[in-house]
Amino acid sequence: AQKVTQAQTEISVVEKEDVTLDCVYETRDTTYYLFWYKQPPSGELVFLIRRNSFDEQNEISGRYSWNFQKSTSSFNFTITASQVVDSAVYFCARSEANDGGSQGNLIFGKGTKLSVKP
Amino acid sequence: GAGVSQSPRYKVAKRGQDVALRCDPISGHVSLFWYQQALGQGPEFLTYFQNEAQLDKSGLPSDRFFAERPEGSVSTLKIQRTQQEDSAVYLCASSSGQGTDTQYFGPGTRLTVL
Repeated sequence: AQKVTQAQTEISVVEKEDVTLDCVYETRDTTYYLFWYKQPPSGELVFLIRRNSFDEQNEISGRYSWNFQKSTSSFNFTITASQVVDSAVYFCARSEANDGGSQGNLIFGKGTKLSVKP
Repeated sequence: GAGVSQSPRYKVAKRGQDVALRCDPISGHVSLFWYQQALGQGPEFLTYFQNEAQLDKSGLPSDRFFAERPEGSVSTLKIQRTQQEDSAVYLCASSSGQGTDTQYFGPGTRLTVL
């Protein structure tokens, strides 16, 4: 199976530290999409970013930034100046543009639990 | 409401009972997905609808699992003769157009089978 691997099971940092969450994916497709979701203790998955496989530009949104490296099949996520409210489980996921783009069920990694301590 | 809603939020069933889990997607969203999330794991795909058509049910773990979306809006995931291994959080997600568009998730239903 084509997997998504998040090697870091748990990370603990102190507030205001920068932290990078790693994501490596496998795919045989030329067209695919990558996502990051946040799952706070309440349980609901919150969408953070969607990236097309043809767009390798890095992206920054406030304290969040994403580094997409197609050559190494990685899509890493960095939180700058972390805050206690960033504590959550973060999931990286990949979808596939099957059948002309009509479907895209997500394949998730196992998640990285981030704890930010005050 | 503005987001995806699911009910019930929590369900406790005795082994062998049938359960029905409901998902209300974002209004107008064409695509609807069901996922199963075991404790400490990432969500795993169960089934996909485009409007009322169930286009992929390859992730359903057994023939005890059944999903429908008869009018292309609300969806129900039914589990017959529940087993302990069915205990998990069941997540519903919807997207506006094609399945590869961003999926927005509901809060999930936590099913516990005793």
